[in-house]
Amino acid sequence: QVTLKESGPALVKPTQTLTLTCTLSGFSVSDNGVRVSWFRQPPGKALEWLARFDWDDDKVYRPSLQTRLTISKDTSKNQVVLTLTDMDPVDTGTYYCARSGYGIYRFFDLWGRGTLVTVSS
Amino acid sequence: EFVLTQSPGTLSLSPGEEATLSCRASQSVSGRFLAWFQHKPGQAPRLLVYDASTRATGIPDRFSGSGSGTDFTLTISRLEPEDFALYYCQHYGTSPYTFGQGTKLEIK
Repeated sequence: QVTLKESGPALVKPTQTLTLTCTLSGFSVSDNGVRVSWFRQPPGKALEWLARFDWDDDKVYRPSLQTRLTISKDTSKNQVVLTLTDMDPVDTGTYYCARSGYGIYRFFDLWGRGTLVTVSS
Repeated sequence: EFVLTQSPGTLSLSPGEEATLSCRASQSVSGRFLAWFQHKPGQAPRLLVYDASTRATGIPDRFSGSGSGTDFTLTISRLEPEDFALYYCQHYGTSPYTFGQGTKLEIK
């Protein structure tokens, strides 16, 4: 079965660093042409793309958050990891990971259910 | 960065009716890299249509996408009870990928 599943803390304090994990099943981020992205959705707001990790280890970040974001992979665990530093209450929301492809397959065909993160002291 | 504007914000219809959802882009969408998703609370977003008009695998043919340039439409004919949900359009040609604010399709 091909799936993605997000995991991480439900509650973080302001200024802390958030670390989220996207666990892949049925495929690998090292498979040719595979890309995995992270998104988030603050309550009542639109979905927002954050970062992307490609099969060839290329990484792309949302420009406005680039200084706070790091995306990486753990090949042994088949995971894509996102860290977001200096958390603020405005970072509260549901965080999703999703798979896309390359070239004509660049659409996001598979998503996880998301994980809710609340930033509060 | 692309801005996508969806209308209406909420659409109230009855099962069996046809729904027409609109998505307007702030600039022309090259390559027709425009997708539509269905999203229900607590579930993963579900890809319905990509490349503006291609149905994703397993999507019923009552869902159809159309449009080009800056104006795109998702049409759902013969609404089924399970179709009442949130719908988003997304531009995915180049990063940063952007979404519309969504249309809530509710039962009248």
